[in-house]
Amino acid sequence: GEDVEQSLFLSVREGDSSVINCTYTDSSSTYLYWYKQEPGAGLQLLTYIFSNMDMKQDQRLTVLLNKKDKHLSLRIADTQTGDSAIYFCAERYSGGYQKVTFGTGTKLQVIP
Amino acid sequence: NAGVTQTPKFQVLKTGQSMTLQCAQDMNHEYMSWYRQDPGMGLRLIHYSVGAGITDQGEVPNGYNVSRSTTEDFPLRLLSAAPSQTSVYFCASGEGTNYGYTFGSGTRLTVV
Repeated sequence: GEDVEQSLFLSVREGDSSVINCTYTDSSSTYLYWYKQEPGAGLQLLTYIFSNMDMKQDQRLTVLLNKKDKHLSLRIADTQTGDSAIYFCAERYSGGYQKVTFGTGTKLQVIP
Repeated sequence: NAGVTQTPKFQVLKTGQSMTLQCAQDMNHEYMSWYRQDPGMGLRLIHYSVGAGITDQGEVPNGYNVSRSTTEDFPLRLLSAAPSQTSVYFCASGEGTNYGYTFGSGTRLTVV
């Protein structure tokens, strides 16, 4: 079955770049997503990438996809304290109607 | 723009009690789903619906029922609460998974 893995924790200094990594197992993934969860809140869609793309950039966010290695990353440039949150990687695979699998989430701590 | 509204935000149940978690969306989304979030386990899909009158099981459906009588509402029923159902529950909706989901703010449930 499909599986999505992330490291649990990342700590960076304010102003540095953050890179959050994700690996997935299903080669038939069609879309991959990054969500942000702030304390006490639901998940908020940050960005998504179609599986035939290698990179997508949106302001401070850069998504890189290595489909051969089934590796997805989210780079946040000039990380701010407001970026402190849990970041979830998710994949949609083609095996079921709108089936989306989420990773365990990476908690990003930004040190002032 | 209300988006996805979940009620209640917090609930404490005794083992064996039943209750219904409410979820409503005002975006005319066909797809709705319920997830539970547990530490270190990410989000796990409980049930989902692809339209009014259509529901299906997700990854962890045991102990939960759903119904979808209208496009707007997708309640989750706990039949006989157990301590293992202590979790944070999220409702999500989408018009097409390509563009990701909109999440509610969650219901924190404790079963004692």
